[in-house]
Amino acid sequence: QKEVEQDPGPLSVPEGAIVSLNCTYSNSAFQYFMWYRQYSRKGPELLMYTYSSGNKEDGRFTAQVDKSSKYISLFIRDSQPSDSATYLCAMTTSSASKIIFGSGTRLSIRP
Amino acid sequence: DSGVTQTPKHLITATGQRVTLRCSPRSGDLSVYWYQQSLDQGLQFLIQYYNGEERAKGNILERFSAQQFPDLHSELNLSSLELGDSALYFCASSGGGGPDEQFFGPGTRLTVL
Repeated sequence: QKEVEQDPGPLSVPEGAIVSLNCTYSNSAFQYFMWYRQYSRKGPELLMYTYSSGNKEDGRFTAQVDKSSKYISLFIRDSQPSDSATYLCAMTTSSASKIIFGSGTRLSIRP
Repeated sequence: DSGVTQTPKHLITATGQRVTLRCSPRSGDLSVYWYQQSLDQGLQFLIQYYNGEERAKGNILERFSAQQFPDLHSELNLSSLELGDSALYFCASSGGGGPDEQFFGPGTRLTVL
């Protein structure tokens, strides 16, 4: 079993829709959770960085962490065609510097 | 632009050869991380250096090695290249040695023929 599981998609939604991206994990020691966006043939770009459980909002993006369920989510409101990319979840423990990435979800926003 | 630079952008070489990939971290960042991204394996952590010292090791093959120099730039050396080494290689940097936010460079696309 992988430490981090992420649905690869592809996920296709119409412009303006709310998008929900999710990851599950097995290591209860994970404390830091991240979401990266990666456009084709580009480096991953950090979108959200959260510590422990709870919600964090930044513009149209909201990250949620539920440590009791070992489940994290990224919500994108008012989705735009420019949001079309691969979204990678990532997480690490407080003592380790190694980050474990999910396999990524390909998202396509239809105009 | 993340502030992390990588050279070269593209590299085409033959099996059995050796190549060196270079990374310059963001100004002030002490940690450099190397990742390999292939279609079937996703983003795999290879190795981390912090202020010149190896800090953490991931799924790095013995044919691969890295170092971080006093000016904090880093090089990833890949030797005895195989077809399966064809991938995108990313460098990321962060300020400290712990679970900091990592900022990725644009990557080097390696093709082994």
